[in-house]
Amino acid sequence: DTAVSQTPKYLVTQMGNDKSIKCEQNLGHDTMYWYKQDSKKFLKIMFSYNNKELIINETVPNRFSPKSPDKAHLNLHINSLELGDSAVYFCASSQVTGALGEQYFGPGTRLTVT
Amino acid sequence: GENVEQHPSTLSVQEGDSAVIKCTYSDSASNYFPWYKQELGKGPQLIIDIRSNVGEKKDQRIAVTLNKTAKHFSLHITETQPEDSAVYFCAASPSNDYKLSFGAGTTVTVRA
Repeated sequence: DTAVSQTPKYLVTQMGNDKSIKCEQNLGHDTMYWYKQDSKKFLKIMFSYNNKELIINETVPNRFSPKSPDKAHLNLHINSLELGDSAVYFCASSQVTGALGEQYFGPGTRLTVT
Repeated sequence: GENVEQHPSTLSVQEGDSAVIKCTYSDSASNYFPWYKQELGKGPQLIIDIRSNVGEKKDQRIAVTLNKTAKHFSLHITETQPEDSAVYFCAASPSNDYKLSFGAGTTVTVRA
């Protein structure tokens, strides 16, 4: 019954490693997003895909690379992890292309880089 | 781009009292204004939204008002209950943009 799911929920890793976070939605939505929430709770859009096409690509280091194998999945790969990458990463999806509709958020992945 | 400011950053209210959170936005082209509630350890969840052709919207104990001239919108929670304790985010989006710009969040604590 889970609408938007993410794996893993927790990720602890060392600086310099490469890691991936996976996201899946079973709502039939066309648009998916990745957000980063820092320690002060600030939510910032990173990427958005619509029908597997990248439509939002914010000022994010190119160590971050999203991949959408199909419109139900949006994964986030991070190379050469840095301490500043520690945050909670949320995946979201929406039915209406763009921001004119409700976004459904996943439970988040807490990434800790040591 | 759009810049959304949210106040206050923390709000403590007695159970049964009202809570008000205020946001301002910078882009006059913004026409969609949702509010999200984030409980501890969970993702944000939409609680109410308003579009620019409406000045006020109400859903049970929650209401949102929008003043497009002044570029500000507010969330009102009446008869607060302990389960209203959470972080609340306002957001804004122009019609020709695909992204939401979020405010910094307000941590609401309802004291029993």
